Amino acid sequence: AQRVTQPEKLLSVFKGAPVELKCNYSYSGSPELFWYVQYSRQRLQLLLRHISRESIKGFTADLNKGETSFHLKKPFAQEEDSAMYYCALSGLGNAGNMLTFGGGTRLMVKP
Amino acid sequence: DAGITQSPRHKVTETGTPVTLRCHQTENHRYMYWYRQDPGHGLRLIHYSYGVKDTDKGEVSDGYSVSRSKTEDFLLTLESATSSQTSVYFCAISGQINTIYFGEGSWLTVV
Repeated sequence: AQRVTQPEKLLSVFKGAPVELKCNYSYSGSPELFWYVQYSRQRLQLLLRHISRESIKGFTADLNKGETSFHLKKPFAQEEDSAMYYCALSGLGNAGNMLTFGGGTRLMVKP
Repeated sequence: DAGITQSPRHKVTETGTPVTLRCHQTENHRYMYWYRQDPGHGLRLIHYSYGVKDTDKGEVSDGYSVSRSKTEDFLLTLESATSSQTSVYFCAISGQINTIYFGEGSWLTVV
């Protein structure tokens, strides 16, 4: 079985402060991990995926297989980063890229 | 944004009535999914489809059925709506492996 855990439901930081949104997973195979962002009442958008190792909007995430983690980081938070963030893990098979999501973390960046 | 349209976007219905949500795509993608989003639970997979007339259950399929008679349409039916099915429903599509796009969501309230 695959599972994704985001231990923080809410993370509140001041503008300019570093941000780390935690994500831990359990999966028996080789995981594909993603971060999705949802701005207020909008659709989920792919923020980044571990295989591309890219930085989007200043966010990065490194897959740590030893700790089974995929934490999302940004060195200096901006007010426009306020949103819901979901960590997700892919399960391959007939469902193509069926995703299992964590419970989400709401990031609030205060001025 | 990928061509995904959900309808209706907002609906209020009474307990015990049937409800159908529609997801329409213009991308000709093979895989389509229905998720529900609830606070603290993130997104949970209800049903998915891997082709015309090919569907399977997800994590929270009880009380829901789906149909896919055309590549572009994936219907989600609540056979007899209950208050526990009050939620936001997201359709998603996937073509290439590891690329998922989400619709804008359908807000359903069962009273």
